Amino acid sequence: DQQVKQNSPSLSVQEGRISILNCDYTNSMFDYFLWYKKYPAEGPTFLISISSIKDKNEDGRFTVFLNKSAKHLSLHIVPSQPGDSAVYFCAAISGGGADGLTFGKGTHLIIQP
Amino acid sequence: KAGVTQTPRYLIKTRGQQVTLSCSPISGHRSVSWYQQTPGQGLQFLFEYFSETQRNKGNFPGRFSGRQFSNSRSEMNVSTLELGDSALYLCASSTGAWNEQFFGPGTRLTVL
Repeated sequence: DQQVKQNSPSLSVQEGRISILNCDYTNSMFDYFLWYKKYPAEGPTFLISISSIKDKNEDGRFTVFLNKSAKHLSLHIVPSQPGDSAVYFCAAISGGGADGLTFGKGTHLIIQP
Repeated sequence: KAGVTQTPRYLIKTRGQQVTLSCSPISGHRSVSWYQQTPGQGLQFLFEYFSETQRNKGNFPGRFSGRQFSNSRSEMNVSTLELGDSALYLCASSTGAWNEQFFGPGTRLTVL
């Protein structure tokens, strides 16, 4: 059973507009969430994270929102740029990391010129 | 600072064989984690080593094993290969914090 779900396999957004990537989780023990970005033939690169005690974290063009009651988080990219085209993975971890990072299956973001 | 390196980048094996993959972490990093990525299951955690000790383990059969050396380099071994073991194997290193993992480019294993 998937504990972290990214229900949109792909998303197409125009350059300059906002990209919103969504992630749902089922395990209420998760207390830390991360977003990774992956280009072809490269490993994932850490983008931004959020602790479960917060509801928002911002870093430049990237903002992550966490809604604990809905077990939902989202990544906002504003404005979207061509270099943002990549696969984005949502990941979660529970205290201590005994189960490592639990990843979603990813969303392929395509930025249209 | 050099990034995480993995060797080999590509590997083709046949069913029943065994394989060893290598990961060299970023200098100073003592934690190395291994992940398997497949189209069906996505990225799944295999295990984590810290200072030569396996600290955490995912839900994989005993055919998957690993070790870490005193210089923090890590190897992963898969014995009695099955077709379903075909995947991209990623390793990640960190100083120990989960939010500071740096991934290597992966080893693409194909089992025929």
